[in-house]
Amino acid sequence: EVQLVESGGGLVQPGRSLKLSCAASGFTFSDYNMAWVRQAPTKGLEWVASISYGGSNTHYGDSVKGRFTISRDNAKSTLYLQMDSLRSEDTATYYCARRTGSSYFDYWGQGVMVTVSS
Amino acid sequence: IQLTQSPSLLSASVGDRVTLSCKGSQNINNYLAWYQQKLGEAPKLLIYNTNSLQTGIPSRFSGSGSGTDYTLTISSLQPEDVATYFCYQYNNGWTFGGGTKLELK
Repeated sequence: EVQLVESGGGLVQPGRSLKLSCAASGFTFSDYNMAWVRQAPTKGLEWVASISYGGSNTHYGDSVKGRFTISRDNAKSTLYLQMDSLRSEDTATYYCARRTGSSYFDYWGQGVMVTVSS
Repeated sequence: IQLTQSPSLLSASVGDRVTLSCKGSQNINNYLAWYQQKLGEAPKLLIYNTNSLQTGIPSRFSGSGSGTDYTLTISSLQPEDVATYFCYQYNNGWTFGGGTKLELK
């Protein structure tokens, strides 16, 4: 069974940093592209960042480009999101998602909440 | 590509045939998926590549469309279908629609 379990969320002050993790199991992690998608409270979904299966190719949404860094450790089957210079508008539930070769997301984690507030 | 979903809120009765719309600002070339999100849960993939049903999803769900206009249809609404539905395009960049909230009348 595919499982994606996020961790690392919490309350953080504006301008500070936070690192999210996503532990994957039930599939060969190194075979899949992965991504982070977020959802602000009562809002829709926003793609944040993607990374190729080997980690060499990354892409970012305009709202996080230059501030967030996606990475992965295939030996540990873990996806990461380093979030720097956090803003109040980054407050959201962050989901880890597995991306198919066609680029849609077929499995999602349960999400982790990040609140940016002083 | 921007995606516009309509309506934003839909009220229907159990057994109704329900149609949700998703319109792109450009040609999506059938690279469109639909997700269901129940309150407090992660999104679940229903349909990919416009009309392919994800494994384990009931056959009352179906997708159609082409070009810029796409539709998710629920042939006979069930109580467990109450959720918000999002479309998602992966033809040019990766964007989600704003969602349609489906409730029981």
